[in-house]
Amino acid sequence: ILNVEQSPQSLHVQEGDSTNFTCSFPSSNFYALHWYRWETAKSPEALFVMTLNGDEKKKGRISATLNTKEGYSYLYIKGSQPEDSATYLCAPPNTGNQFYFGTGTSLTVIP
Amino acid sequence: DAGVIQSPRHEVTEMGQEVTLRCKPISGHDYLFWYRQTMMRGLELLIYFNNNVPIDDSGMPEDRFSAKMPNASFSTLKIQPSEPRDSAVYFCASSFSRGQGFWRGGVTGELFFGEGSRLTVL
Repeated sequence: ILNVEQSPQSLHVQEGDSTNFTCSFPSSNFYALHWYRWETAKSPEALFVMTLNGDEKKKGRISATLNTKEGYSYLYIKGSQPEDSATYLCAPPNTGNQFYFGTGTSLTVIP
Repeated sequence: DAGVIQSPRHEVTEMGQEVTLRCKPISGHDYLFWYRQTMMRGLELLIYFNNNVPIDDSGMPEDRFSAKMPNASFSTLKIQPSEPRDSAVYFCASSFSRGQGFWRGGVTGELFFGEGSRLTVL
C-alpha cells in the first residue's frame, strides 16, 4: 500500500480567506497525482489529474502544483467560500494502477 | 451518460445474512474499483478490475468478502456472512485508460464514483 499523507487533517477558515494543504507521497515510481473533492453525503469528484513535475492546474479559485522529485503536491483555494467546505483527497496511483487515497484534509469555511 | 450506478443505496440487514452490492460502470470504462469508507481508514481500496479481470484483491478484508465482474457493465461485491463491523458506505468507481496500460504515454484517467451503498449490519 502506497504511503500517502495529507496535512493538515482538518482546517477551519473564514469566508474570503485563502488556504492551502499538502499531499505527500513517495517520489519513486511516480506516475500521476489525482486530487478529488468530497462533499458530505456525496461521492468524490475529480478536481485535477497531474502527471508532470512542475505541473500547475487551475479550476476557478482552486489550483494545484506538483513536485514529483520531492514527492508533494499543494492544493490552493483562493477566497474560500462556504461551498468549498468538503474533504479534499489526493491519490498517487502506483504502477499497479491502485488508487490509494490519503485520509484527506477536511475544510470548513465559516460564513 | 448516466454515470456509475450503484444499488442498493441503503441496505439494512442482520448479522449472518448475505449482502450483495451492485455496480454498473460508465460504458466504455475498462477499470472498476470497489472502495469502503470507514471513519478509521477513510476510503479503503478493496479490489479493482481491468477488463473484467480482478487485478488486485489484497484490500479485501477477509474471506467473507468476494467480488465479481462477469461482464463489462456489471460488478458485484458480496459479503457472506455479514457482521456489524462491515457497516460502512461502499463505493464503486470506474475509469478509462487510454493506450496500453493506465499510464503509458502519460495519459491517465480520473475515477468516476457512484453514489455509494450504505450498509448497516445489525
